[in-house]
Amino acid sequence: DFVMTQTPLSLTVTPGEPASISCRSSQSLLHSNGEHYLDWYLQKPGQPPQVLIYLTSNRASGVPDRFSGSGSGTDFTLKISRVEAEDVGVYYCKQSLHVPLTFGGGTKVEIK
Amino acid sequence: QVQLVESGGGVVQPGGSLRLSCAASGFTLSSSAMHWVRQAPGKGPQWVAFIGYDGRNEYYADSVRGRFTISRDNTQNTLYLQMNALRGDDTALYYCAKDFSSDWFEYMDVWGKGATVIVSS
Repeated sequence: DFVMTQTPLSLTVTPGEPASISCRSSQSLLHSNGEHYLDWYLQKPGQPPQVLIYLTSNRASGVPDRFSGSGSGTDFTLKISRVEAEDVGVYYCKQSLHVPLTFGGGTKVEIK
Repeated sequence: QVQLVESGGGVVQPGGSLRLSCAASGFTLSSSAMHWVRQAPGKGPQWVAFIGYDGRNEYYADSVRGRFTISRDNTQNTLYLQMNALRGDDTALYYCAKDFSSDWFEYMDVWGKGATVIVSS
């Protein structure tokens, strides 16, 4: 299985400050079509996960542009340029290149 | 609006069976691949199963293969998960999720609110 490792486990951020979350895959997520099959999801308290970023760097519909994704091969990053109070929750990366699809362990983001 | 609503959860004894349903509205289910994803209390999401738009392609997590069966009725706009030989570690909130793709894995763009399954004697 592709093992997804996220760091840090938790993050406390002052509103307006940036935040960054890393996700490392045990194997390359590069598809033969040139895309890396890595997504980012945010699970707000009491809600299902919602997609933020797909195929490494594409913002999903309705996602604010303060969220951005980057990376290649096995190393990926989610950045929030200016954290807002509504960004609290647990962030998960997920690979969809290989079955079984696997999620990272999650990064809990709290506001200071 | 685009919506997924799960039902059929409950409390079941170890070894028992349960069938979850997921009713889709606001989009054409027959054009979308679908997933079941579960989340045990206090844990992260775990992918369970996938089915392509026409039901011909199915994939399962190793932990459920042979016990769970994903299926769909596009005429009823409904996705199913038949769960047999349930174990304690199957206890979780089960989400159905729509894939952006019709027949492969891209990303899950719509999620239901989940159905709770508790396996306990």
